[in-house]
Formats: sequence, C-alpha cells, structure tokens
Amino acid sequence: QQPVQSPQAVILREGEDAVINCSSSKALYSVHWYRQKHGEAPVFLMILLKGGEQKGHEKISASFNEKKQQSSLYLTASQLSYSGTYFCGTDGSGSARQLTFGSGTQLTVLP
Amino acid sequence: EAEVAQSPRYKITEKSQAVAFWCDPISGHATLYWYRQILGQGPELLVQFQDESVVDDSQLPKDRFSAERLKGVDSTLKIQPAELGDSAMYLCASSPRPGVQETQYFGPGTRLLVL
Repeated sequence: QQPVQSPQAVILREGEDAVINCSSSKALYSVHWYRQKHGEAPVFLMILLKGGEQKGHEKISASFNEKKQQSSLYLTASQLSYSGTYFCGTDGSGSARQLTFGSGTQLTVLP
Repeated sequence: EAEVAQSPRYKITEKSQAVAFWCDPISGHATLYWYRQILGQGPELLVQFQDESVVDDSQLPKDRFSAERLKGVDSTLKIQPAELGDSAMYLCASSPRPGVQETQYFGPGTRLLVL
C-alpha cells in the first residue's frame, strides 16, 4: 500500500526550514528518501533502517519511528538547490526488494 | 561514479505503434526494476528482475507490455501497441543483491509521448 506524504507542497524562502512526513499503514523495515528535479530521475538521499536511527549530513537529515511507521525528512536552512519533489519509498519486506513510493512533496525554495 | 544508463531519453510515437526502451544497470547490480511515473505521482513498479529471471511482473499490462533481461545485464521494455494512456516517464533502477541496507539507483528515464 502506498505511503502517504505530507504536505503535498511547500514554498519556502532561502534559509528557512522544512519538514516532510511519510506515513505507512504497514510495518516497515526501511524508508528510502529521494529528490527528483523536474524532468530528471529521482536521486537517492538516504536510507533509514528499522531501529529509529536518525541519519543525515549537513543540513538534510531524517528520522524513522518504526512503531508509528513514520519517517520525517528535515531540511535546515534551505538552499535554492533543495527545490524539487521529495519521495519516500517504503520497504515492508526487509530485503529492500521492492519499494513503494509516496506521491511526493513538491518543495520550492525562493530567493 | 557508476550510473544507470537509459535510451532513448525522449520518444514520441503514434498510438498503435511499437516502442522499445533500453536500460543498462550499474555494473554488478543483480536486481533491475522498470517503473512508470505519471506526472505528479511517484514511480510505480512494472517489473523486477533478479539476474535474468522475472521476480515480479504483477503490475505489468502483459497484453501490451513485455520486458526481458536475457543475459542478466541490460534490459529492454517494449510496448506494442502503444496507447494514449501510456504517455509517462519510464524509469529503470538497479540495486545490488537484495539486502536491508541496499537502495535503488535510478537512470535518467525515457519520457514517452503517445499521440
């Protein structure tokens, strides 16, 4: 079943923060985050594994609450280059054989 | 840095014609996926290969779509005949042998327009 992402869209000014959420009705083993710019392929950002570990680097990080079957992506001090559509892909099998993707969150960062 | 290659990048065709897309995964990646992405939506899996074998093609419209990965390396996705509703981005992704810490890496995609 497809995970639910929220919000569907967000507009920010450069330097502002944003949080994107991903919720599933199924138990999850991992959550994979991607960013896709218009007309381009999704680019892998990070993977969150069962265990609730928070990961990230610099100004983009994420958390995974396996009990709530939720993941959140945190973008701090947004840059213009952060603009794009963010997708979460969820893995309910434990082997990352298949990912089910949400419908995406469109992030626009304005100067 | 190794990348997934796809061609063509763009394809315009008329309905009822046949089209084919090619994908070359990252070297050594055993798992290959074909996705369809409609504008404004997330990628939807069409078919998954493990080496040369189909693992899952439950979402592949088999009356018109076919996919093969004969030698377990590159792959071809074919549509015959194309319909207007097939207009979308077709993405190929690859992954090392399945594992909890492995993710999928996407190619640049083929944007198909059916007129």
